[in-house]
Amino acid sequence: NAGVTQTPKFRVLKTGQSMTLLCAQDMNHEYMYWYRQDPGMGLRLIHYSVGEGTTAKGEVPDGYNVSRLKKQNFLLGLESAAPSQTSVYFCASTLARAGTQYFGPGTRLLVL
Amino acid sequence: TQLLEQSPQFLSIQEGENLTVYCNSSSVFSSLQWYRQEPGEGPVLLVTVVTGGEVKKLKRLTFQFGDARKDSSLHITAAQPGDTGLYLCAGPDQTGANNLFFGTGTRLTVIP
Repeated sequence: NAGVTQTPKFRVLKTGQSMTLLCAQDMNHEYMYWYRQDPGMGLRLIHYSVGEGTTAKGEVPDGYNVSRLKKQNFLLGLESAAPSQTSVYFCASTLARAGTQYFGPGTRLLVL
Repeated sequence: TQLLEQSPQFLSIQEGENLTVYCNSSSVFSSLQWYRQEPGEGPVLLVTVVTGGEVKKLKRLTFQFGDARKDSSLHITAAQPGDTGLYLCAGPDQTGANNLFFGTGTRLTVIP
């Protein structure tokens, strides 16, 4: 049972480049989340999804887009990367609202 | 915004010492969760407290939910190097949105 996996683990981008982060879960969870974690800021919610085909904005959505075309996958896109998006990105999933969140191992993104 | 403030932000102690970390809010939460995050990994749930005044024990870790459900504490007895990590508290969005708010965390280092 892989749980939550994230691809890639590490990426370096130049300002203005685009990329997509992939999150996959094999637990049949309805809810999926994308967070960013910066020093001293804790985990901040970017976007989330309450089911296949749905997405919603979190606390810090600007500069990011998401898609949930399949229940098991949640994609986070950066259309034009900026240095301020240098961070560690975590994906999480949960079976029920306010339930235990299962996190992936994170993606470290450096934007130069 | 339902802020969760954690203190202290950093804590470095010797193996065998006891410690308490705090999670405080001006908002009432229906429940609070505690996660531990080890370097290079995603957070992992330790416990969920749901009743005001509730005390839960997990080996050497004791979690308490305040009577008014606005705060929580984590007490570690006889800390060990394996307790090193970032401790995060989290509470559900009380507006009905399907997400958690995370505190900024306490980074604990236990020195052998």
